[in-house]
Amino acid sequence: DTGVSQDPRHKITKRGQNVTFRCDPISEHNRLYWYRQTLGQGPEFLTYFQNEAQLEKSRLLSDRFSAERPKGSFSTLEIQRTEQGDSAMYLCASRQGGVGTQYFGPGTRLLVL
Amino acid sequence: AQSVTQLGSHVSVSEGALVLLRCNYSSSVPPYLFWYVQYPNQGLQLLLKYTTGATLVKGINGFEAEFKKSETSFHLTKPSAHMSDAAEYFCAVSDRGGANSKLTFGKGITLSVRP
Repeated sequence: DTGVSQDPRHKITKRGQNVTFRCDPISEHNRLYWYRQTLGQGPEFLTYFQNEAQLEKSRLLSDRFSAERPKGSFSTLEIQRTEQGDSAMYLCASRQGGVGTQYFGPGTRLLVL
Repeated sequence: AQSVTQLGSHVSVSEGALVLLRCNYSSSVPPYLFWYVQYPNQGLQLLLKYTTGATLVKGINGFEAEFKKSETSFHLTKPSAHMSDAAEYFCAVSDRGGANSKLTFGKGITLSVRP
């Protein structure tokens, strides 16, 4: 499978715990995006990487959230001290430069109890 | 700032009937426009996109959309609905030439297809 992959697909955690999600983009894609999708809403932009550089962060990305993309390959999104409001689907997408289409992974569904 | 409006949260059609899902956008610069489909518990799959050139865009699974600048619209149509079209559909806009080309999505429309 050469698509975008995300791990885990589902995560249940207790409030206050830390969680980390991983995204593996399509190998030749140098741009990577994280989005969050809550029930009944469209995905909302969280952050963007070009290679290993994080070039933009949404105001939705509070200081409890941190994302990395070491060596410009896979990316991780960590949420510290989770809150019930963090429950959502976290989607990763990647694309090549220019007008390349964003290809989405299957998402990680987070439930904070 | 960019935004997308998808009127109505749910559309129901009979199998074989015309599908029309509406999308209006707001953008201060010429936009790129997209329609994505999402099946339950899955990620988003691109149906079609408009970047430049012909304003009538054909996509996968028989869907098409027309970019109308004067109406700031990008409505999605399919002449004959199939049961497998039942899913959630999202319209999205990105900033043409923008450095990061992030997508701004509408709230989505759930399409139901009746036998």
